[in-house]
Amino acid sequence: DQQVKQNSPSLSVQEGRISILNCDYTNSMFDYFLWYKKYPAEGPTFLISISSIKDKNEDGRFTVFLNKSAKHLSLHIVPSQPGDSAVYFCAAVELAGTASKLTFGTGTRLQVTL
Amino acid sequence: DTEVTQTPKHLVMGMTNKKSLKCEQHMGHRAMYWYKQKAKKPPELMFVYSYEKLSINESVPSRFSPECPNSSLLNLHLHALQPEDSALYLCASSQIQGEVGTEAFFGQGTRLTVV
Repeated sequence: DQQVKQNSPSLSVQEGRISILNCDYTNSMFDYFLWYKKYPAEGPTFLISISSIKDKNEDGRFTVFLNKSAKHLSLHIVPSQPGDSAVYFCAAVELAGTASKLTFGTGTRLQVTL
Repeated sequence: DTEVTQTPKHLVMGMTNKKSLKCEQHMGHRAMYWYKQKAKKPPELMFVYSYEKLSINESVPSRFSPECPNSSLLNLHLHALQPEDSALYLCASSQIQGEVGTEAFFGQGTRLTVV
């Protein structure tokens, strides 16, 4: 049962344009959502987060939007740069006692072309 | 220092071997995690430690044995593994719930191959 899904396994965007990565979830109890960037054989690198009580969070070129009624979030990267090429995972956080339990989406491979 | 350090980076072990994966962080995080990632799949949670106590075990087989000797260290002891256990093992740490920031910081991972 995949609680967090990224329905686009890959996305190709031209340099300078906007990249939009989407994520859907089924569990309405998630407290936070995070986006991570991952290169092969490396650990995920945190990009940006959003609380379930907000609908937008912005950090530099990265903006995350949350639509709770649709159980949908998206990551916008603008302008896209070749160094953004990687696999992007959204992760949903359930606060379990004193720790955070992350459930990762299936990932979207972003390719930014020149 | 926002680093989580994992050793070794690569490990090849036989099915009868006993080995350990190590993870260290000095960010003062009191929650630490082990994740397993197979090729082309998302990371999957294995264990969570809060304040050096095991708080979540995601029904992981007993051939994986976690240990948290202190607030900076997390080990994963491996014994009698199967070839299908070959994967990238990721360690992560985070603040405790209620503190500033909830993001988990990940190490580079240990690429484990069981032969």
